[in-house]
Amino acid sequence: NAGVMQNPRHLVRRRGQEARLRCSPMKGHSHVYWYRQLPEEGLKFMVYLQKENIIDESGMPKERFSAEFPKEGPSILRIQQVVRGDSAAYFCASSPDRGRTGELFFGEGSRLTVL
Amino acid sequence: AQTVTQSQPEMSVQEAETVTLSCTYDTSENNYYLFWYKQPPSRQMILVIRQEAYKQQNATENRFSVNFQKAAKSFSLKISDSQLGDTAMYFCAFMRSFGNEKLTFGTGTRLTIIP
Repeated sequence: NAGVMQNPRHLVRRRGQEARLRCSPMKGHSHVYWYRQLPEEGLKFMVYLQKENIIDESGMPKERFSAEFPKEGPSILRIQQVVRGDSAAYFCASSPDRGRTGELFFGEGSRLTVL
Repeated sequence: AQTVTQSQPEMSVQEAETVTLSCTYDTSENNYYLFWYKQPPSRQMILVIRQEAYKQQNATENRFSVNFQKAAKSFSLKISDSQLGDTAMYFCAFMRSFGNEKLTFGTGTRLTIIP
């Protein structure tokens, strides 16, 4: 049973370009969470999605950031017109469909560098 | 809103010794989960130990144990017989028992095990 898969692991963009980060949850999981980790800081919640629905986006910046989790395929975190302050590690986590365990399973993260 | 505080940015200890990492939190909830996550240089987030607030017994996982003081809102992690592989960032985290499984993280403690 593969874990949470994130790609790309590393992404370099110039200011003004778009960044797309992908996350495939563990098999049997339909709850996906995105977190951002700035250098030397803890993880900060961004958004919680279920299939085709955004449940909680209270941690998402109001502009340039969007997330989706389509019926088929991975969850996508999209950052438009990137700026240097977007440089961070972005982690995806998933949890099971049934039986709340209080545990999230994390991917290895995608490190975005904005030049 | 919940907050998690880790007051020790860095700690170091000799191999085979015991070390305790501190964590305090603030919440008005009565039911919740508390976690310690380890983030080694690979940056993977690894669950070390989990505590359910309604359980009075402190959680243990091999060399890792917690001291959960609900009234004091304190949740410290003790690592016994420390090993070089324990070198990592350690994050304390909080999750409500109800609602979405959103984690609130502390700022982390960088632990170095000295050979």
